[in-house]
Amino acid sequence: DGGITQSPKYLFRKEGQNVTLSCEQNLNHDAMYWYRQDPGQGLRLIYYSQIVNDFQKGDIAEGYSVSREKKESFPLTVTSAQKNPTAFYLCASSMAGGPYEQYFGPGTRLTVT
Amino acid sequence: GENVEQHPSTLSVQEGDSAVIKCTYSDSASNYFPWYKQELGKRPQLIIDIRSNVGEKKDQRIAVTLNKTAKHFSLHITETQPEDSAVYFCAATANAGGTSYGKLTFGQGTILTVHP
Repeated sequence: DGGITQSPKYLFRKEGQNVTLSCEQNLNHDAMYWYRQDPGQGLRLIYYSQIVNDFQKGDIAEGYSVSREKKESFPLTVTSAQKNPTAFYLCASSMAGGPYEQYFGPGTRLTVT
Repeated sequence: GENVEQHPSTLSVQEGDSAVIKCTYSDSASNYFPWYKQELGKRPQLIIDIRSNVGEKKDQRIAVTLNKTAKHFSLHITETQPEDSAVYFCAATANAGGTSYGKLTFGQGTILTVHP
């Protein structure tokens, strides 16, 4: 499972707490993405970044924040403003200037109670 | 923005039969259409993709067809096997340039079950 990694696999938090999900890749990809997966709704784009120090909102960015300080890393913070944070979160990366195949990490299942 | 509709949501076939999953998209500028397979508890993986300058692409038992005029594309799996059981997602993206490069919009997914 090299290439793109996410940690932890399972994460539990209390309501009202911010939580940061890790995503690291060693594929030398410029572009990175965060998706949320809920049953019956496919994958929905939260944020994406085509280059270091730059990122754009996806379709469901409210309640989330990201940073892209290094090419290899694209952490996602789920803030207390996210109304329904319990979900499966997937990180992906690809070459930039595409579109090209996106390679996915193994995912983090976040449960907020 | 782009909207991708995928049908059916579930599909059950007997081993050896063919399976077809269809997707429609809304943005006529879309030019890249990948299909991902996600086995239970695992990450999505690309199984085949097609670009708008091609009408059909095959890879062993898997094929994808694209109709740009009607704005729909389909995944065809022949001689299905139990290990084909998974969730399949279609996606589309418009190569709009600038910061929109590679921004995929996914369909809702199809749960394919292949019975031995």
